[in-house]
Order: sequence, then C-alpha cells, then structure tokens
Amino acid sequence: GAVVSQHPSWVICKSGTSVKIECRSLDFQATTMFWYRQFPKQSLMLMATSNEGSKATYEQGVEKDKFLINHASLTLSTLTVTSAHPEDSSFYICSARRGGTSGFIANTQYFGPGTRLTVL
Amino acid sequence: AQTVTQSQPEMSVQEAETVTLSCTYDTSESDYYLFWYKQPPSRQMILVIRQEAYKQQNATENRFSVNFQKAAKSFSLKISDSQLGDAAMYFCAYRSGSQTSGSRLTFGEGTQLTVNP
Repeated sequence: GAVVSQHPSWVICKSGTSVKIECRSLDFQATTMFWYRQFPKQSLMLMATSNEGSKATYEQGVEKDKFLINHASLTLSTLTVTSAHPEDSSFYICSARRGGTSGFIANTQYFGPGTRLTVL
Repeated sequence: AQTVTQSQPEMSVQEAETVTLSCTYDTSESDYYLFWYKQPPSRQMILVIRQEAYKQQNATENRFSVNFQKAAKSFSLKISDSQLGDAAMYFCAYRSGSQTSGSRLTFGEGTQLTVNP
C-alpha cells in the first residue's frame, strides 16, 4: 500500500496564532510532497511542492512567509500557517510521491485525509 | 500549460447501472500520465485508476475502466454496476512525463456523482 496520514484532522485556532499540520508517508519514502488547499465544492489548488532536504517551491500567489513548509525527512512534511486569519480557514490536503523518475510508482501521488482549519 | 476539463459538474446514476464521466485535456506533450481520483464525503482523495499515455490499451480496475483517446485528448471513466459507495466527487488529473516539468498534478473541476437506490 501507500498510506499517507495527516495530523490533526481538524483544528480551530484564534486569529493571529500559528498552526502546524503534519503529513507523513507511513509505508514508503516520499521524495516529494505536495500541499493543496480546497474550498467547498471546488477542485484542489496546489500551494507548494517540497522535496526532501530542499526549500519548497510555492505556486504563484501563495505567500511563502505565511505558509511555511518543511520537508525534513523522507517521511514527514509540515505546513505551518503563521498568523492565521479567518480567510485562511480551509481544507488543507497533502500528498506524497515515491522516488524515481519513471513509471506509475514514481508518478502517482497518494493523498492524506486532509485537515480542516477554522480560524476564529 | 496543460489544462484539464470536466464538462459535467453533476451526474447521477441508478444503482447497478453504468455511468460515464467525461474528461478532456490539452497538452503538447506525448509523454504523460492520467488519473481519476474520487473524493467521497470524508474528503479523502482515493486513486481510482491510472493510464500511461504511451499505452494504447485502456486501463481497467474491477468495475472501473477508462476510454483513453489520445488523439482526441479524451480520458473518460466508466463505472459499471454502480454502487451506493461510488457516490463521490470525481477528479480527472494530468501529470507530465517530463522531469523538467516537475511532478505536479493538474486537476479538472470535478464531477459530483450521485447514485440513486
């Protein structure tokens, strides 16, 4: 299998505080992890791509100082929403890709269950 | 840039019947991968089926199969013998085979499938 976990699954925080979301690949090593944001009844919006040991690559329009991403190991990536505001409330999903350059194994993303963030 | 279009925001099917979800994409590449993911109410993204562009044979996974038409840039999903558990949002996704393009997925807008008992 290829299992990806996220923690927490649901978090409520006060405006101005920071929140950390963890994404773990449980049974494989993930050289690349992705962070998405999803609004209700909409598609997934890629926020950033992170490779183990490297700085994350952010999509246009995503504030890298607000959404801090760390991919410290082959099984763990974290997303920290700094100084959260109500407009940051959303569903955040991570995914992970195994290493390699060709074939399905290297080119399939496996998704975590998501984290619902509510900022009051 | 590649784009993925799902022209059916909503579809419904009777239990045990067959339904086809449409997906078209735009690319100038010849090497790429296509995926269908489902997102049930739990919001967990689940891989349904995948296809490599260089393979002409359509992928099949149990009750799920695709009709891959490379020249037409079409990648439809057929669900046979629909079950209540198939009710979900279905996303079509494209992944470039080029390493220089990165490993990102480009998603369509999604099709909400309702299965009626």
